[in-house]
Amino acid sequence: GAGVSQTPSNKVTEKGKYVELRCDPISGHTALYWYRQSLGQGPEFLIYFQGTGAADDSGLPNDRFFAVRPEGSVSTLKIQRTERGDSAVYLCASSISGRSGDTQYFGPGTRLTVL
Amino acid sequence: AQSVTQLDSHVSVSEGTPVLLRCNYSSSYSPSLFWYVQHPNKGLQLLLKYTSAATLVKGINGFEAEFKKSETSFHLTKPSAHMSDAAEYFCVVSTTNKFYFGSGTKLNVKP
Repeated sequence: GAGVSQTPSNKVTEKGKYVELRCDPISGHTALYWYRQSLGQGPEFLIYFQGTGAADDSGLPNDRFFAVRPEGSVSTLKIQRTERGDSAVYLCASSISGRSGDTQYFGPGTRLTVL
Repeated sequence: AQSVTQLDSHVSVSEGTPVLLRCNYSSSYSPSLFWYVQHPNKGLQLLLKYTSAATLVKGINGFEAEFKKSETSFHLTKPSAHMSDAAEYFCVVSTTNKFYFGSGTKLNVKP
């Protein structure tokens, strides 16, 4: 079956621009997560959706970052006024219910480069 | 609070020899623990997970890990390394729905 997909796979933008990153989770998974992986580090949690609502957005670094999941399936991570420090791989994951111990299935990531 | 420490950033072994990747965790509650593997330009793939059942967990591709509560460890092992095992490995702890990743261990396998 289809796994988690993310588009685009690569995004190059200029400092100050706005970007949107898309995640399509596994069908039927109610929980969706965004992580950010900087070079040489493990992924860091950004935000968690249960259905359409953001259940935990404690990992978003500042108010330039925002994410939505309007129909409880596809999610979009939005970054305003991008900075060079936002350059990283943005990973999306989904799990069947979001309960502790559930396996999270990861997409291939979007590599964002801010020039 | 949860955290994960992967004690080695790089491990190098010869093909056919055992692999040991070390992971220690800190958790306020009974954790779930995972190992994921990331091959170059590929997504994270689950190797195995522990969720309070048997302490010795078997995963894919011959990997296994043992949960030791007294040592707060969850080390990953494999009896015999294969060239295809060369990748980066991440230990993960979770007590809620969030995953906390270690910084990763890059495994190099020499012919």
